Amino acid sequence: DVKVTQSSRYLVKRTGEKVFLECVQDMDHENMFWYRQDPGLGLRLIYFSYDVKMKEKGDIPEGYSVSREKKERFSLILESASTNQTSMYLCASSFRGHGYTFGSGTRLTVV
Amino acid sequence: AQSVTQLDSHVSVSEGTPVLLRCNYSSSYSPSLFWYVQHPNKGLQLLLKYTSAATLVKGINGFEAEFKKSETSFHLTKPSAHMSDAAEYFCVVSPMNTGFQKLVFGTGTRLLVSP
Repeated sequence: DVKVTQSSRYLVKRTGEKVFLECVQDMDHENMFWYRQDPGLGLRLIYFSYDVKMKEKGDIPEGYSVSREKKERFSLILESASTNQTSMYLCASSFRGHGYTFGSGTRLTVV
Repeated sequence: AQSVTQLDSHVSVSEGTPVLLRCNYSSSYSPSLFWYVQHPNKGLQLLLKYTSAATLVKGINGFEAEFKKSETSFHLTKPSAHMSDAAEYFCVVSPMNTGFQKLVFGTGTRLLVSP
């Protein structure tokens, strides 16, 4: 089974801090994604990557950046965390046409 | 543009009774459609997917969904609910014409199952 591992299950950070959320997949998938999940809003795409060093903005990229230096790792960066970035963050990977595999999520609280 | 509308934010059923979770989609192209389930404190798990083969799709745990193009619907059903079905369910659309599979999620339906 493909595994997508998010390094932290829960995270509490202060306003203004730089925050890194890490995601690693073990099945050589080209595509990786970062979503945030908020009650009543479903999942919204922040950024995605279809190859190493490639990145594309999703629907809500403001306040975020990403890094993909290796195929298996996709990092989400909050340059200066704000309280409105308190959310559940979900990472996913996919091989074209074969569906997504999601990580268990990181619940980030910004205080 | 693609979008999905999940018509109910919450659905409550009794154990052993049928489940119906409603989803309507909008897509400029022939879509792929999916249902995902999320149990508390877990990631999302694929229940089933439609990709232009049979319009009635069977998934895991006894769930199935029917693609109805004329109604632009993809409702999820199960004949008999179990307590373990209590979770949040997401209807998802992806356009088929793109080489890159980008998913668009509905807002979710929380299924509550009472004894």
